[in-house]
Amino acid sequence: EVQLVETGGGLIQPGGSLRLSCAPSGFSVINTYMSWVRQAPGKGLEWVSMIYRDGTTYYLDSVRGRFTISRDIPTNTLSLQMNNLRAEDTATYYCAGCSGDSCYHYWGPGTLVTVSS
Amino acid sequence: DIVMTQSPDSLALSLGERATINCKSSQSVFSSNKNYVAWYQQKPRQPPKLLIHWASTRESGVPARFSGSGSGTDFTLTISNLQAEDVAIYYCHHYYNTPHSFGQGTKLEMK
Repeated sequence: EVQLVETGGGLIQPGGSLRLSCAPSGFSVINTYMSWVRQAPGKGLEWVSMIYRDGTTYYLDSVRGRFTISRDIPTNTLSLQMNNLRAEDTATYYCAGCSGDSCYHYWGPGTLVTVSS
Repeated sequence: DIVMTQSPDSLALSLGERATINCKSSQSVFSSNKNYVAWYQQKPRQPPKLLIHWASTRESGVPARFSGSGSGTDFTLTISNLQAEDVAIYYCHHYYNTPHSFGQGTKLEMK
């Protein structure tokens, strides 16, 4: 059975940094497209970033230059390094995975990031 | 960037009725004989659940009363014989290129 679990959320002051991690079981992060999708409280879903099988990365315009998506093959972990956080980054962040070229079949339960002073 | 627009924003129906949710993309999401569109169901305090991918392929384990249709820029999610457990917010999503994007969501309630 495929499972994803996100960790690393919490309360952080504006301008601060946080690193989210996602540890999938049942598949390898190198064999599929993986993304981070966020949802602000009471709002809809917003795609944030994606890493392709070949390691190419893509970002939402509003996070480019502040967020970095990466993967660690030995630990089979997906990460999102978030720097210079803003109040508008407050959201539940989901790790999501595709199956082949079809997205998103797999979702974690999410981790809440709150940016506030 | 491709924008996904859903309609309606909300709808209230009775048990056994049919729900129809529409989604329009700002440009075609069709390529290589496939439409790069998915539909999700999200209940409170839960992650989204994939219902339909490739616009019309039902995910394993999803009841047959859920169906997807459409091609190019216009897509529909149909829920037949509405059940109480179908109360949720439904999102369309394109994965044609980056940035991926989601519709704003349609809230389905019971009358």
